[in-house]
Amino acid sequence: NAGVTQTPKFRILKIGQSMTLQCTQDMNHNYMYWYRQDPGMGLKLIYYSVGAGITDKGEVPNGYNVSRSTTEDFPLRLELAAPSQTSVYFCASSSTGQPANYGYTFGSGTRLTVV
Amino acid sequence: RKEVEQDPGPFNVPEGATVAFNCTYSNSASQSFFWYRQDCRKEPKLLMSVYSSGNEDGRFTAQLNRASQYISLLIRDSKLSDSATYLCAVPPRGSGNTGKLIFGQGTTLQVKP
Repeated sequence: NAGVTQTPKFRILKIGQSMTLQCTQDMNHNYMYWYRQDPGMGLKLIYYSVGAGITDKGEVPNGYNVSRSTTEDFPLRLELAAPSQTSVYFCASSSTGQPANYGYTFGSGTRLTVV
Repeated sequence: RKEVEQDPGPFNVPEGATVAFNCTYSNSASQSFFWYRQDCRKEPKLLMSVYSSGNEDGRFTAQLNRASQYISLLIRDSKLSDSATYLCAVPPRGSGNTGKLIFGQGTTLQVKP
C-alpha cells in the first residue's frame, strides 16, 4: 500500500517553462488536495478535488491548473513558471470531507526551484 | 485576525521538560481541529485531532478553548525525537463537506540534551 505518491521529488525549471507535478493515491480516496509550502510558512491550498471530474480553486490558484479524470490521479500543471512558484508542493488525500472524521495522508512532496 | 495563527518559536527546551504551544483560530463555527507534526524537509503527519474539549495520547495532550478560540498542544517529558515543527489546522469558513484545511505557519520545537 503506497499511500500518496508524488513525482518528481526535485525539479529545477527555467522561467517560462511548464511542467506537471504528478500525484497518485491507491487508497480509493475521493478527496485530494494540492498545497504549497514556502520556507518558514504554513501550507497554502492551491486546488482541491472532491471526486473524479470535480475540481475547485483554493487560496492561491493563480499560475496553476489541475485535472481529475480518475479517482487515483490528481496532477498539478504549472504554466509559464515564475520564481514566485519556487516552493515545496504537497499532495494530500482524505477518505472523507466530513470535518469530524478526516485527517490527510500527504505525499512526500516535490521541491521545485524556478530560476 | 488571521484564520489560523501560531507563534513560530523556536521553543528550546531541555529533555524531560513540559512544553505547550497555542494556536488561535478565527472561525468560531469550526468543530474540528488538528495538530500535524512536520520533520525537517518531510511531509506533515497527523499527530492529533480535537473535536470537543480535548484529546490525550500518551505524552501529548491537545485542548480546545472555544471561548478564547484557541487550541493548545502540551508535550510532557520531552524527548529529543520530539524536535520538529508542529502545525495546527482548522477547516476554513464555508468549507462545508470539502475537507479543506487552513494551516498555521507552525511552531518549531527543539529539545536539547
